[in-house]
Parts: sequence; structure tokens; C-alpha cells
Amino acid sequence: SAVISQKPSRDICQRGTSLTIQCQVDSQVTMMFWYRQQPGQSLTLIATANQGSEATYESGFVIDKFPISRPNLTFSTLTVSNMSPEDSSIYLCSVEQGANQPQHFGDGTRLSIL
Amino acid sequence: AQKVTQAQTEISVVEKEDVTLDCVYETRDTTYYLFWYKQPPSGELVFLIRRNSFDEQNEISGRYSWNFQKSTSSFNFTITASQVVDSAVYFCALSFYNQGGKLIFGQGTELSVKP
Repeated sequence: SAVISQKPSRDICQRGTSLTIQCQVDSQVTMMFWYRQQPGQSLTLIATANQGSEATYESGFVIDKFPISRPNLTFSTLTVSNMSPEDSSIYLCSVEQGANQPQHFGDGTRLSIL
Repeated sequence: AQKVTQAQTEISVVEKEDVTLDCVYETRDTTYYLFWYKQPPSGELVFLIRRNSFDEQNEISGRYSWNFQKSTSSFNFTITASQVVDSAVYFCALSFYNQGGKLIFGQGTELSVKP
């Protein structure tokens, strides 16, 4: 399966600031996704990162809060904007290498907001 | 409704015991996929297995086995002769052929294997 590198692995941020998380894959993939895992909770899909077009957001998530870029088939970024303590979570990117293939996940970014 | 339920929040066993993690799903779709992922304390999510809705054959991989029963909408996971390294949170998930790969996760079961 693809090797997925996610950076940073963790960060502690101040309220009101923004952080951009990067997801790099070692091969071209058809689909890239961003998930959030709040403390002690399950994973929830934030959006599908579409190459060359705007991301597709799930209900409850908006572009102004979570802008996403996907400039090519191996790279995507998620920005968490104007952060508050409620944004403290693990953010994970996942990839699908082909249609209906299993999703594989990066190691996640543990984000704490003070 | 499309939903995954893992009713067991936490399970604690002693090493070498067998343990079964339950997963029940809800969907009206006829074409779907079921998954199990493992999340060890280090936090990464490790893919374990995927089944499609047309393949009800049970699967065994080493100490792991999976029992898929469409009649009861269940996809249970059994670890035989558990080991301390099996301690993790295990997630069952559901996706659909025509929904762009979106995974719907259950709440997870935290398995603790004690020596």
C-alpha cells in the first residue's frame, strides 16, 4: 500500500490561530480524504479532497473553517482556521489508490488548542 | 439510515484468551463494503480487512478471523489466543460503492489484553 506522510505529527496552538496540515503520498492516488477524531471518539469525515477542484464537505463542516487544497494526485493540505479548544482532535488523511480500494490512513496530526 | 454500531465500548481479557468484537450495521443498499481497522495507543489507523456485500465467506488470517452474516447485518471479529500487542481500539466501518469512498465508522471497541 501507499506510504502516507502527514505533517506535523502534533502541535499545540493558540486560540484564534490557524494551522495547515500536510499529507504527502509516495504514489498517485485517486481519492484523498480528511477525517477528524475528537478525544475518545470515533472518526468523522470532514471532506473529500478533489484534485483540481473544490473539496466536497460533509454536513457540519464548511470551507471557511477547514479549507482544503489538492494541487496534484499525491498531495493535499487541510487548514484548521481560527482555532478554538473545541478543535482539539486528531486529524487524519486517508487515501484510496484505486476505485473501491481500501482506504489507508496517515499517522494523524494531534492538535491541541490552548 | 446508514449506521455502524459497536455495542462493546471496552473489553478486557487475559493473554491467550479468545475475544470477539461485535459489529452491527444498518443500510438499505445492496452493494457495500465492511472494514475493520486497528488503532493502537500510538494513534495510527491500521487497515485489517475489507469485505464486500456479495462475499459472505468467513476469513481467517493468522490469529484473526471475521464472521460476516448478512442475515443479522453483522461483521464480527475474533482474535484467538490474544496477546498484549493486540491492545488497541478496533473500529468497524461501512462504505458504499456509489458514495465516493466515504467511510462510516462505529464508535470503536477498546480492547485491553493483560499479561
